[in-house]
Amino acid sequence: NAGVTQTPKFQVLKTGQSMTLQCAQDMNHEYMSWYRQDPGMGLRLIHYSVGAGITDQGEVPNGYNVSRSTTEDFPLRLLSAAPSQTSVYFCASSSGPLNEKLFFGSGTQLSVL
Amino acid sequence: AQSVTQPDIHITVSEGASLELRCNYSYGATPYLFWYVQSPGQGLQLLLKYFSGDTLVQGIKGFEAEFKRSQSSFNLRKPSVHWSDAAEYFCASGSSNTGKLIFGQGTTLQVKP
Repeated sequence: NAGVTQTPKFQVLKTGQSMTLQCAQDMNHEYMSWYRQDPGMGLRLIHYSVGAGITDQGEVPNGYNVSRSTTEDFPLRLLSAAPSQTSVYFCASSSGPLNEKLFFGSGTQLSVL
Repeated sequence: AQSVTQPDIHITVSEGASLELRCNYSYGATPYLFWYVQSPGQGLQLLLKYFSGDTLVQGIKGFEAEFKRSQSSFNLRKPSVHWSDAAEYFCASGSSNTGKLIFGQGTTLQVKP
């Protein structure tokens, strides 16, 4: 049982490059979300989804896109990377956003130069 | 707007001493409240959660938290801290309307021998 799988674990980008952070879960969870973690800022919600075909913005959505074409996958796209997007990114899922605990991926450490 | 505030960025306690970590939330209706812990280099682990009912909730590792509506607080407590409790602690609040789960900035706990 893999749980929540995030790839890659580490990534270095140049300013202006685009990339996609992958997130997949095998628990048939309806709810999936992306957070970024920065020192002193806690975890800030970027985007979330309550089911396939449904996404919504979180606290800090600018510069990021998401889609949810399947229940299993919730990729996060950086359209044009900026140094301010240097952070650790966590994908999380649960059977419901509030009824159960979140299962977190292992994180992606992203550096934008 | 939905928000979570953890007033203490860093707390140091002696091993065996009692602990209280503060959390204040801002939300119109009764929120769904959580405490998570993150050890260095690790993912987040759910300590406890409050949805309704008894305002004093018990969690894992000997932690408890009390929901006080009048103070908009959900403080985490432990009677006797162990060195292994050194970690970063996050309070989170969920909205039943939007499905969003918002985290506070985190409190880093240091335990002195």
